[in-house]
Amino acid sequence: DTGVSQNPRHKITKRGQNVTFRCDPISEHNRLYWYRQTLGQGPEFLTYFQNEAQLEKSRLLSDRFSAERPKGSFSTLEIQRTEQGDSAMYLCASGVASGANVLTFGAGSRLTVL
Amino acid sequence: DAKTTQPPSMDCAEGRAANLPCNHSTISGNEYVYWYRQIHSQGPQYIIHGLKNNETNEMASLIITEDRKSSTLILPHATLRDTAVYYCIVRDYNAGNNRKLIWGLGTSLAVNP
Repeated sequence: DTGVSQNPRHKITKRGQNVTFRCDPISEHNRLYWYRQTLGQGPEFLTYFQNEAQLEKSRLLSDRFSAERPKGSFSTLEIQRTEQGDSAMYLCASGVASGANVLTFGAGSRLTVL
Repeated sequence: DAKTTQPPSMDCAEGRAANLPCNHSTISGNEYVYWYRQIHSQGPQYIIHGLKNNETNEMASLIITEDRKSSTLILPHATLRDTAVYYCIVRDYNAGNNRKLIWGLGTSLAVNP
């Protein structure tokens, strides 16, 4: 297992376009998290899944954001009608529901909205 | 809001111990202390966590005060590759479905040659 994989690593798009990020977690991890991080700030929680169920969504996740984890494996985060304020690093992390719930993060997907 | 307070930056000489403090004066009985670090342009990396007792692993040691209101992460022999932002986080181990981490601004550690 090579850890948590995120694609694409970098995305530059024009305002108003839709973008989709993919996260492939560690295979035996049943929890998957999405975070957003802007320059100089710590990661901000967006949403998380246990298996295929989306259990919590942050108020930061506006109607333009949607996340799925259809088979409890990989997940996608889609942003519709992107705005310049969406420019950030989008981080995915996975973990197991039991125990200390230590998270393993991917390298992130950096979005730049022009 | 983050429940921890950390100095914004620290310096350490290569080969010396780096001691990173964290204040969590409002920590409750069920909350653990977690430390992660983030090297530039990478995702955060788990370091260590603890509840009451001091903990040690291959990366670091975690010293928690008896009243649990503060802790110190110790990197015993810092190397240039330890230059990163270090985050101290408290989280309720038994929070049911609400298991997200709430991150502060962390401490930017610079290890100097």
